[in-house]
Amino acid sequence: KAGVTQTPRYLIKTRGQQVTLSCSPISGHRSVSWYQQTPGQGLQFLFEYFSETQRNKGNFPGRFSGRQFSNSRSEMNVSTLELGDSALYLCASSPGSNSNQPQHFGDGTRLSIL
Amino acid sequence: SQELEQSPQSLIVQEGKNLTINCTSSKTLYGLYWYKQKYGEGLIFLMMLQKGGEEKSHEKITAKLDEKKQQSSLHITASQPSHAGIYLCGAATKTSYDKVIFGPGTSLSVIP
Repeated sequence: KAGVTQTPRYLIKTRGQQVTLSCSPISGHRSVSWYQQTPGQGLQFLFEYFSETQRNKGNFPGRFSGRQFSNSRSEMNVSTLELGDSALYLCASSPGSNSNQPQHFGDGTRLSIL
Repeated sequence: SQELEQSPQSLIVQEGKNLTINCTSSKTLYGLYWYKQKYGEGLIFLMMLQKGGEEKSHEKITAKLDEKKQQSSLHITASQPSHAGIYLCGAATKTSYDKVIFGPGTSLSVIP
């Protein structure tokens, strides 16, 4: 069974640009969560999607948005990029929206803002 | 302050030594997860604990959950260089029931 796939692995952008990251969950998993990981803040929850609906949202500005498609694939978009958005963005999938099921993570997209 | 705290922040041990990493929650726990991360990579799921007193083992790694203390410990026996990495605990808590939050992580280095 293929794991969680995130593309691209690396991305370099400049301030003010926007970026879209993609995540393909494990086959059969319907819940997809996004996290931002930085050395200073650690792993911070962005949002979770289940059956194309955003179920939970973390404390991030509206510049961070996402969506989920009918095949459970998810995209995350960040607009008007800031230097502080440089981070490793991780996607995780689980079978359902119940937090009693372990999440399985992709290898992440490392975003660098110049 | 964070809802999940981990101690120690970092650890350097000689190969073959035992070690323990702790994860403490300030809120009631509903499920506790342990993950391992190599630098710059994704998190690898190790174990999930759901009931107070529950203990699980995988190879040389054992995790326990003390529900009363709202604490979990991860113990590695006879550490090896392959155990090196960042260990993170994650949990659904009373204030984040529908989502998993993570501790700051414990960086483990194993010296051959």
